[in-house]
Amino acid sequence: NAGVTQTPKFQVLKTGQSMTLQCAQDMNHEYMSWYRQDPGMGLRLIHYSVGAGITDQGEVPNGYNVSRSTTEDFPLRLLSAAPSQTSVYFCASSPDRNYGYTFGSGTRLTVV
Amino acid sequence: GDSVTQMEGPVTLSEEAFLTINCTYTATGYPSLFWYVQYPGEGLQLLLKATKADDKGSNKGFEATYRKETTSFHLEKGSVQVSDSAVYFCALHASGGYNKLIFGAGTRLAVHP
Repeated sequence: NAGVTQTPKFQVLKTGQSMTLQCAQDMNHEYMSWYRQDPGMGLRLIHYSVGAGITDQGEVPNGYNVSRSTTEDFPLRLLSAAPSQTSVYFCASSPDRNYGYTFGSGTRLTVV
Repeated sequence: GDSVTQMEGPVTLSEEAFLTINCTYTATGYPSLFWYVQYPGEGLQLLLKATKADDKGSNKGFEATYRKETTSFHLEKGSVQVSDSAVYFCALHASGGYNKLIFGAGTRLAVHP
């Protein structure tokens, strides 16, 4: 099993550009989430999903879109990148609320 | 809303010292509680968990007990090693219809020989 795979690992964007961060898991997990990690602020939840076709907003959803058309994939779209979106992004998945989440290795995004 | 509060770091210890990292939470219902660890340049790894009151989670010498009366889930280890140097995150997964994993701010641990 590959676990949770995130691509790309690094990305530099110009302000106003759009892009999609990819996340795929091969464990048939229903729950998937996107977090951003900024120094001194821990991990903040952007969007999450409890199954294909079901998504909801977390703490900091503005500027990001998600969709969940399959169980395996949960892409995160940046609509118009801003310097405030410079961060490390983590995708995670879990089979249920008691199991614990498996995290990807992260995408380091810089917006200039 | 639900939240997790951790003691601020960094925590600096000598090898073989006793470790406690405090974690308290606010949540409705009966959340599941977790500790995650992040080594430099890596993603988060699940360290241990407890899913109901009075449960004790343990792994790699680390322990934490789910205390509902004090809404706490403190992380302890009897004898730390240099290899334990990392950032530790306390987290809760809310119960009921709130299917979100919420993290504390993290506590950096540095262990010196």
